[in-house]
Amino acid sequence: AQKITQTQPGMFVQEKEAVTLDCTYDTSDPSYGLFWYKQPSSGEMIFLIYQGSYDQQNATEGRYSLNFQKARKSANLVISASQLGDSAMYFCAIWGAGSYQLTFGKGTKLSVIP
Amino acid sequence: NAGVTQTPKFQVLKTGQSMTLQCAQDMNHEYMSWYRQDPGMGLRLIHYSVGAGITDQGEVPNGYNVSRSTTEDFPLRLLSAAPSQTSVYFCASRGWTGATNEKLFFGSGTQLSVL
Repeated sequence: AQKITQTQPGMFVQEKEAVTLDCTYDTSDPSYGLFWYKQPSSGEMIFLIYQGSYDQQNATEGRYSLNFQKARKSANLVISASQLGDSAMYFCAIWGAGSYQLTFGKGTKLSVIP
Repeated sequence: NAGVTQTPKFQVLKTGQSMTLQCAQDMNHEYMSWYRQDPGMGLRLIHYSVGAGITDQGEVPNGYNVSRSTTEDFPLRLLSAAPSQTSVYFCASRGWTGATNEKLFFGSGTQLSVL
């Protein structure tokens, strides 16, 4: 079984500031992948970033980076220099090597304030 | 390249009616799945398929039926709609290589209301 916990239902951040969205996970698979998706108000699911359980370095994609702490089972998303267009729901998800599904957390709603 | 195409975008049903949500992908993905999204619940897996002729249940399969006759198509059937099935439905697909880094590609979603 695998599980994702996102403890922040809502977050506010000032434009141009950095923000961290928390994600903790649980899985019995030694090999797994962690994903973050963004869902703007228009509803589509947009893939942001991926971290593999055996990756030695934290993943980065432009303004997005993943603070991966394997011992703590956390995979926090860091957004640098927030923009108004970053206002959206953000979902953390996990795919274990022995799994047949991507398991999602309940999401964090990020609001960027001008 | 269309990716994952879902139809319709919006649908209103009466309790007891049946309908099929269509999903097609043009990426030759073996894995296809259906999720439902409810406020405060994230996305939950309804059914999935790892190839033509192979389907299995996810976390919330009751009230839904699927089949997979081709690699491209994975329709979701509601046999007798209930108000509890009011939700946003997403179809998603990915490659099936055994690697954990295959990302899910999502359709644009179907907003379903059951009255």
